[in-house]
Amino acid sequence: GAVVSQHPSWVICKSGTSVKIECRSLDFQATTMFWYRQFPKQSLMLMATSNEGSKATYEQGVEKDKFLINHASLTLSTLTVTSAHPEDSSFYICSAIRDSNNEQFFGPGTRLTVL
Amino acid sequence: AQSVSQHNHHVILSEAASLELGCNYSYGGTVNLFWYVQYPGQHLQLLLKYFSGDPLVKGIKGFEAEFIKSKFSFNLRKPSVQWSDTAEYFCAVKPSGTYKYIFGTGTRLKVLA
Repeated sequence: GAVVSQHPSWVICKSGTSVKIECRSLDFQATTMFWYRQFPKQSLMLMATSNEGSKATYEQGVEKDKFLINHASLTLSTLTVTSAHPEDSSFYICSAIRDSNNEQFFGPGTRLTVL
Repeated sequence: AQSVSQHNHHVILSEAASLELGCNYSYGGTVNLFWYVQYPGQHLQLLLKYFSGDPLVKGIKGFEAEFIKSKFSFNLRKPSVQWSDTAEYFCAVKPSGTYKYIFGTGTRLKVLA
């Protein structure tokens, strides 16, 4: 149990376009999900905490108008990278909390390349 | 500020060598601890975790880690590495009662056949 999926697994887009990434908890409900960003050869950096039915909480330095997060249901959170630029190219990983231990279960990640 | 340090950024070992990767954190309270592995081009996989109880935790693929509270450490060990262990390893700390993970910078392990 505790499977988290992401779609798409990779995406290539032109500069200036918007890209939506989905994160789904397949076999459990998740009131809280997280979005991370991982640059090549670097660690995961938390971008924001996504709470079902409320606004996301963004980490310091993360532009909330650029990285739109919507957590419309207990099994789905979406991250939209608006007006993407090449510097937004990265590996985006989501995770979800399943139980009271607050242990996070990670998705497989989405590789975004902005041309 | 809370932080997690992985002092070994790159480690190169021959097959059958023993492995120990360091992980130290700065937080005075109760923590939950994790080690993840990321194989080239793949996603994070949980190797092992510590929530409470026996400080020596055994995980998958023959890995183990020991939580030493007095040293704020959670080092990862494997007695005999294999070529297939080539990957990046991340330590993560979650202060108890919170949900945020703090990741270390990662250790890139290369095992020579």
